[in-house]
Amino acid sequence: KAGVTQTPRYLIKTRGQQVTLSCSPISGHRSVSWYQQTPGQGLQFLFEYFSETQRNKGNFPGRFSGRQFSNSRSEMNVSTLELGDSALYLCASSSASSSTDTQYFGPGTRLTVL
Amino acid sequence: DAKTTQPPSMDCAEGRAANLPCNHSTISGNEYVYWYRQIHSQGPQYIIHGLKNNETNEMASLIITEDRKSSTLILPHATLRDTAVYYCIVRVVSGNQFYFGTGTSLTVIP
Repeated sequence: KAGVTQTPRYLIKTRGQQVTLSCSPISGHRSVSWYQQTPGQGLQFLFEYFSETQRNKGNFPGRFSGRQFSNSRSEMNVSTLELGDSALYLCASSSASSSTDTQYFGPGTRLTVL
Repeated sequence: DAKTTQPPSMDCAEGRAANLPCNHSTISGNEYVYWYRQIHSQGPQYIIHGLKNNETNEMASLIITEDRKSSTLILPHATLRDTAVYYCIVRVVSGNQFYFGTGTSLTVIP
């Protein structure tokens, strides 16, 4: 099976702009979670989508949003970018058939905000 | 929200076993312990997970103490490619998210 794919892999934006990142889960996986990784805060959970619905949400401002499509692909959007949004954004998928499903991570999108 | 404590760094000689400890003293009875590793700037890679019993797979072994307050990940024969940050995570069963701590940076030395 192909792994989790994320596009683009690298992105440079300027403050105030918005950005959309994409994640394609492993075939058959219905849950997609997003994480932000920065040197200062480490890996932090953003939100999880399951069957096109946001099921869990981390402690991030409303500028961070996401959605999931019927084919389980997911996008996350960050509006009004700030310098502090520069980070590695990781997507993880799981089958979510049980509470102990393993999450498999993609390679990430490296976002730089100038 | 991280519920685990790990040493910030460790070294291990190539070919020797790497034993990475993790404390999770507040773990609840239905919470699993997961281990992931992250090689520089790549996505975290799943290694192993367990609830109570010791677990082994092709990558590693997981030893969980009887009181479940701590665990040890064992890489039986460390190679240079095992150099990475290793995260011990206690998974909240009711939610499908992981709380990552700061991890242990393992360096395998030739």
